[in-house]
Amino acid sequence: EDKVVQSPLSLVVHEGDTVTLNCSYEVTNFRSLLWYKQEKKAPTFLFMLTSSGIEKKSGRLSSILDKKELSSILNITATQTGDSAIYLCAVAPINAGGTSYGKLTFGQGTILTVHP
Amino acid sequence: NAGVTQTPKFQVLKTGQSMTLQCAQDMNHNSMYWYRQDPGMGLRLIYYSASEGTTDKGEVPNGYNVSRLNKREFSLRLESAAPSQTSVYFCASRDRGPEQYFGPGTRLTVT
Repeated sequence: EDKVVQSPLSLVVHEGDTVTLNCSYEVTNFRSLLWYKQEKKAPTFLFMLTSSGIEKKSGRLSSILDKKELSSILNITATQTGDSAIYLCAVAPINAGGTSYGKLTFGQGTILTVHP
Repeated sequence: NAGVTQTPKFQVLKTGQSMTLQCAQDMNHNSMYWYRQDPGMGLRLIYYSASEGTTDKGEVPNGYNVSRLNKREFSLRLESAAPSQTSVYFCASRDRGPEQYFGPGTRLTVT
């Protein structure tokens, strides 16, 4: 059974701090790892990391995939109150034929609170 | 382009009542998904539909049924609601890649 574990489960920081969120996984036929940000409503897609693309960056957010350690980190620098959200990590396998993606397995999420 | 839409936004049911949650997407995606989200448990897959005409159970299917009405619409039915089904329900869709796009959610309370 595929498994994704995120840590910490919650984190409280002040504006300007840098945070690192962790995600570790066990999945058969790993294909991709995805990060989502969830504010009050729907999760929104941030990054996808694959075996052929192990680092992504967008503004103050960056993510790295460690294929050896079966884990990923999401870094947020110079945090702002607008970064307060639940950050979800998910993994996607690929089927044996390599023709389609399987179901996403999500971690529990990290609740990030950024105080002014 | 509305993306993924869900109705209703909120619902309160009494134990034993039934209801259907509606989901539609206008992105011409083949695959659609229903999740529930409970505190501290992330998103758990209830049912999914890899393509029009097919549906499959996910991690937590008991107490639910689904219908893939056409390529756009995927509904989730609770036949006899129980307090354990109090949750936030999300519908999602995806195209060829693994990334899924989510609707705004339905907050369901069963008393």
